[in-house]
Amino acid sequence: SQTIHQWPATLVQPVGSPLSLECTVEGTSNPNLYWYRQAAGRGLQLLFYSVGIGQISSEVPQNLSASRPQDRQFILSSKKLLLSDSGFYLCACSGQGGMNTEAFFGQGTRLTVV
Amino acid sequence: AQSVTQLDSHVSVSEGTPVLLRCNYSSSYSPSLFWYVQHPNKGLQLLLKYTSAATLVKGINGFEAEFKKSETSFHLTKPSAHMSDAAEYFCVVSGRSSASKIIFGSGTRLSIRP
Repeated sequence: SQTIHQWPATLVQPVGSPLSLECTVEGTSNPNLYWYRQAAGRGLQLLFYSVGIGQISSEVPQNLSASRPQDRQFILSSKKLLLSDSGFYLCACSGQGGMNTEAFFGQGTRLTVV
Repeated sequence: AQSVTQLDSHVSVSEGTPVLLRCNYSSSYSPSLFWYVQHPNKGLQLLLKYTSAATLVKGINGFEAEFKKSETSFHLTKPSAHMSDAAEYFCVVSGRSSASKIIFGSGTRLSIRP
């Protein structure tokens, strides 16, 4: 089954600083990749979604961007962090449709913007 | 397009009594449906999934869910709650096509009273 590596586990960044969170996937090829954010006491909001290299769909307007430079690498970035960017960020992958749509998750990154 | 609605943001039950967490879905095609659990400060764990086999799905820790197409529901149940069941539960829907996204419900926080 798929394994997702996501780092770092925790991060404290000042307002206005850049951000780069990386996620890599093992055990599958050509997965769908996702970035979710979970704000305190809230559910998981889908931020970005990718079905292939260089193909990124943004679900909500925001201060963040995503890139997929390789098949199994998904990067979440920001040029200047805002206080409202604080939260728990999860990377996920799933198979390309059919019976294989179960999602697998990384351990998450808890981002605090100060 | 798919969507999922968790009808209760918070459910509180006494230890040893039944648990019911409600979920309704909307999908243009036959969906795949999942329940995930998130314990405090932990990652997401798959409880069970429905992918068009038996409509009654049994999962881990004594949980089960029944897919009811006529009611577009996928409620999660457990006959007897345990203190260790206290957590956040997410209902998740995905389609079967290669471009289907994985969409989370807003979550239900389950509390267990002694």
